[in-house]
Amino acid sequence: DVKVTQSSRYLVKRTGEKVFLECVQDMDHENMFWYRQDPGLGLRLIYFSYDVKMKEKGDIPEGYSVSREKKERFSLILESASTNQTSMYLCASRMAGATNQPQHFGDGTRLSIL
Amino acid sequence: AQKITQTQPGMFVQEKEAVTLDCTYDTSDPSYGLFWYKQPSSGEMIFLIYQGSYDQQNATEGRYSLNFQKARKSANLVISASQLGDSAMYFCAMREGSTGGFKTIFGAGTRLFVKA
Repeated sequence: DVKVTQSSRYLVKRTGEKVFLECVQDMDHENMFWYRQDPGLGLRLIYFSYDVKMKEKGDIPEGYSVSREKKERFSLILESASTNQTSMYLCASRMAGATNQPQHFGDGTRLSIL
Repeated sequence: AQKITQTQPGMFVQEKEAVTLDCTYDTSDPSYGLFWYKQPSSGEMIFLIYQGSYDQQNATEGRYSLNFQKARKSANLVISASQLGDSAMYFCAMREGSTGGFKTIFGAGTRLFVKA
C-alpha cells in the first residue's frame, strides 16, 4: 500500500526558531508537495518539487524553504518561525505524468508556534 | 486563473439518505482533472473519485458519484446511503492538464455531518 509519512503529528516551537518538517514517501513518486491548511481557506500550496533537487514556489512560499536531496524525502523549513505559521501542514506525493493521478497525503503535522 | 468554489461550509444529512456536495470551478484550459478528497477528523486526506474533462460518463466509485456538468463548470459529489463514518471534511480539487503542470488547487471544503 502507498505510504507518505510525516515525521511528527504534533509540534510546538517558539518564535524565531528554525523548524524542520520531514516527509518521506515509499512509492517512488517524482512529484512532492507541501501545503498548509487553515479553516475556511482549504489547502494552499507552499512549495512543490517535480524531481530530485528541483523545487518550485507555490502560492504562499514566503517564510518557507524546502529541500529535496533524495527522491523519497521532501523537507519543509521554516527559517524563523512566526506565530502566523501556526497551522496544519500536509505533505503529498504523486506519480508524474497523467492528469488523472491523485495525490497521496501524509497524516499531517499540527504545528503551533508560541 | 483557475479557481475552485465550494459554497457550503457545512451540511447535515440523515443516515441512509443521499447528499450532494457542491463544487464549481473556473479554468480556461480545455484539459483538466477534478478530484474529491475526504478528510476525517484524524487528519489524513483520502482520495475518493476522479473526473477528467474529456470523460463522457460521470465517474462512480461505490457509493460516490460525480455529477459532472461541463457547461456549468460544476462537479458535485453525490454520496448515496450516507453512513456515520462519512462525517468528515470534503475537498474538491482541480489540476489543469496543459497549463497547470504540477499544481492542483483545492476548494475551501465542506464539512459533512451525518445524523443517526
